[in-house]
Amino acid sequence: EIVLTQSPATLSLSPGERATLSCRASQSVSIYLAWYQQKPGQAPRLLIFDASNRATGIPARFSGSGSGTDFTLTISSLEPEDFAVYYCQQRSNWPREPTFGGGTKVEIK
Amino acid sequence: QVHLQESGPGLVKPSQTLSLTCTVSGGSISSGTYYWSWIRQHPGKGLEWIGHIYYSGSTYYNASLKSRVTISVDTSKNQFSLRLSSVTAADTAVYYCGRDSRGMDAWGQGTTVTVSS
Repeated sequence: EIVLTQSPATLSLSPGERATLSCRASQSVSIYLAWYQQKPGQAPRLLIFDASNRATGIPARFSGSGSGTDFTLTISSLEPEDFAVYYCQQRSNWPREPTFGGGTKVEIK
Repeated sequence: QVHLQESGPGLVKPSQTLSLTCTVSGGSISSGTYYWSWIRQHPGKGLEWIGHIYYSGSTYYNASLKSRVTISVDTSKNQFSLRLSSVTAADTAVYYCGRDSRGMDAWGQGTTVTVSS
């Protein structure tokens, strides 16, 4: 099983600041990594697929990078609606067992 | 725009079987582009992939749940379903259905299932 480790667990930032979230895989997942945003009481929303491709309707301030075992989600300038929990998901053995990381909470400082 | 809606009992007794259905509207399950998935989230915790099904009936399951999980599809009703047997309190969670191809790009609102006597 591929384990995803997200860091930090919590990121305290102010609106307008840049957020950098990390996701590390226990073995290579090539580019097959997705990022999701989840707000309290809501279902997750797909932000990024295949490491760096924005999903439909996702603002350009969200960007993804990386390959192999190390991935980054960057929010260039935090908007108030961006404070949420972010999850990465590996899909390297698709359609077998995509797994999620433990999440990073981006909170208002 | 596709819409997914979970339905089923919100309370299940220990040792019984949890059964949920996801109804898809605004798109056909038989389109062949997607897998149709179940995800759960324990209270205050992260996301756990349960499994998914292709319209043809091909399924993949989380290895840790495989012995208790069955996912089925009814293309005539544009629905797919989850059955989880021998439930315990550890199965208490919010259960989401979703549509997946290169990422889960459509989700139901989620339904809370509590396992309690």
